[in-house]
Parts: sequence; structure tokens; C-alpha cells
Amino acid sequence: GQNIDQPTEMTATEGAIVQINCTYQTSGFNGLFWYQQHAGEAPTFLSYNVLDGLEEKGRFSSFLSRSKGYSYLLLKELQMKDSASYLCAVRDRDYNYGQNFVFGPGTRLSVLP
Amino acid sequence: EAQVTQNPRYLITVTGKKLTVTCSQNMNHEYMSWYRQDPGLGLRQIYYSMNVEVTDKGDVPEGYKVSRKEKRNFPLILESPSPNQTSLYFCASSLADTRDYNEQFFGPGTRLTVL
Repeated sequence: GQNIDQPTEMTATEGAIVQINCTYQTSGFNGLFWYQQHAGEAPTFLSYNVLDGLEEKGRFSSFLSRSKGYSYLLLKELQMKDSASYLCAVRDRDYNYGQNFVFGPGTRLSVLP
Repeated sequence: EAQVTQNPRYLITVTGKKLTVTCSQNMNHEYMSWYRQDPGLGLRQIYYSMNVEVTDKGDVPEGYKVSRKEKRNFPLILESPSPNQTSLYFCASSLADTRDYNEQFFGPGTRLTVL
């Protein structure tokens, strides 16, 4: 079956570094996405991994290990505005077979002063 | 401004009364999708469409219908809503080429309550 796991909640201090883990078991794999969602708002795209390794984008980095079914999102120099939910999602089919997305439950991050 | 719009943003209705939630995008995206978001369960895909007249079921399609007669619109239809369809609904769109990441752009959400 399809399953994506993330920690439910995390707390960190302003200026610190936090790592949010995601493990997945899906029927197929064609990319892993991280989205940020502030309370009451729509998700917005943060990062994408399809090959193993680290993708860096400013204060945010995302890592993927396909053999382990594992990804993490690393947030550096945390700011208060980073308080949000972080959603891990797997695209489990390619264009020829549709484009199905499976989302994890999300990790609610609270950044404290 | 590039955007995905949904209407209505909030709706309270009663069991069995047919309703439609509209979704429209102005980015000429081929791919559109509907999700519902429930506490502890995250976003779950209801239906998606790879292009005009091409739709497919996601993980939770029961009780929903969709149509894709035009590229920009992808309405979600609840023929006979039930209380377990009370949820926050998001429409999303993206380019369909899966050789690249082609991020999904989400609408602002529709909060539906079925009494």
C-alpha cells in the first residue's frame, strides 16, 4: 500500500537548524516534493528530489535516498515565519500512467524566540 | 497574476443537496487535481486530470465526480454530500511533463461543512 510517515510536531529555536524526516512506501516513485503550509493557507512548493542526494535552495535543503525510502528537509537559520506545517509528497507514477500524488500527514514546526 | 481560484471559499450545506465547487487556473496548465485535507490524514488526492477530457481517480474518489471540458476549469461535484465529506478542499494545477518537477500551484481552499 501507499504510506508516508513524518513526525507530527517539532519545536526549534529561532536561528537554529532543524531536520524534518520523511519515510515512504509507495507503489511507484517519480519524485519527492516538500511543501510548506501556513495555518489556514494553501501549500506552497519548497523543493523537489528525484535522484539521490542533496538539493540546496537558500536556507532550505532536501535530501533523498531512494533505496531507503527516506528524505529529509533541512531548514537553517530558522526564522519565526518558518512556523508552519511541512508536507512530504511522493509522485508515484509517470506521465504515461497518470500523475498520482501521495502526501504525508505533515509536520507542524513551531519556531520559538 | 498567475493563480488558481476556487469558489466558494466556505460552504455549509445539508446531507443530500448536490453541490459543485469550481476551480479555475490561468496558467495554461494541463494537469489539475483535487485534494481533501483532514486533521491527521494530510492531503489526499480525490481525482486528477492530465488534460481536457482525461480524468482519473486518486486515492479517495468515492462520493465525488469531476469533469474537464475546458483546460482552465476542473469542477468538483458532490451529487449527494454526506457528513463524512466535511473537509478542507484544495484544487491544484501544474504542467504535466513529469520529466521535471513542475510544482503544483494550489488554490486558496474551500471549507465545506455537511450537516
